Amino acid sequence: DIQMTQSPSSVSASVGDRVTITCRASQDISSWLAWYQQIPGKAPKLLIYTASNLQSGVPSRFSGSKSGTDFTLTISSLQPEDSAIYYCQQVNSFPLTFGGGTKVEIK
Amino acid sequence: EVQLVESGGALVQPGGSLRLSCVVSGFTFSTYAMNWVRQAPGEGLDWVSGITGSGDTFYADSVKGRFTISRDNSRNTVWLQMNSLRAEDTAVYYCVKSLSSTWQFDSWGQGTLVTASS
Repeated sequence: DIQMTQSPSSVSASVGDRVTITCRASQDISSWLAWYQQIPGKAPKLLIYTASNLQSGVPSRFSGSKSGTDFTLTISSLQPEDSAIYYCQQVNSFPLTFGGGTKVEIK
Repeated sequence: EVQLVESGGALVQPGGSLRLSCVVSGFTFSTYAMNWVRQAPGEGLDWVSGITGSGDTFYADSVKGRFTISRDNSRNTVWLQMNSLRAEDTAVYYCVKSLSSTWQFDSWGQGTLVTASS
């Protein structure tokens, strides 16, 4: 199975800050990676698909990139409504696997 | 508007069975793969099973042989039959639509709670 290692597990930042979350795959997954945002008590929401494509309706302050087997989700200017847990997911092969999540808090 | 509505969650004793249903609307159901993803209380996301539009099925190792996913394209419905339930199956189960021809998930239901406990 492909393991997805997400870091950090939590981050606290101020409104307007740039926030970066990283996900490392245990083997090559090409660009088959998605990012989700989950606000507590709600269902997850797709932010980025295929490593760097912004899902329709998602603010442009969210972006995704890839370098080898390392993937990055960046929030360019943190907003209060971005307080949530963020998950990566590899969809290169079965079983599909998620990272452990990153909790983003607003200072 | 895409809608996915799950039902069937309940309290069940370990070793028991349960069948979850998900009725969808707002898209051409037969064209898209569907999935079940679960989330144990206070934990992260865990993919359980997926089924293509034509009925090919895939399972997480933890549920293989105990859970069965199925669909009826004429009824816009996907099911998850869960047998031999264990305490560790306790979770909110989400019905999830795949994005286009990939296994990335673009629409989620509200979830239904399954509790396996005596």
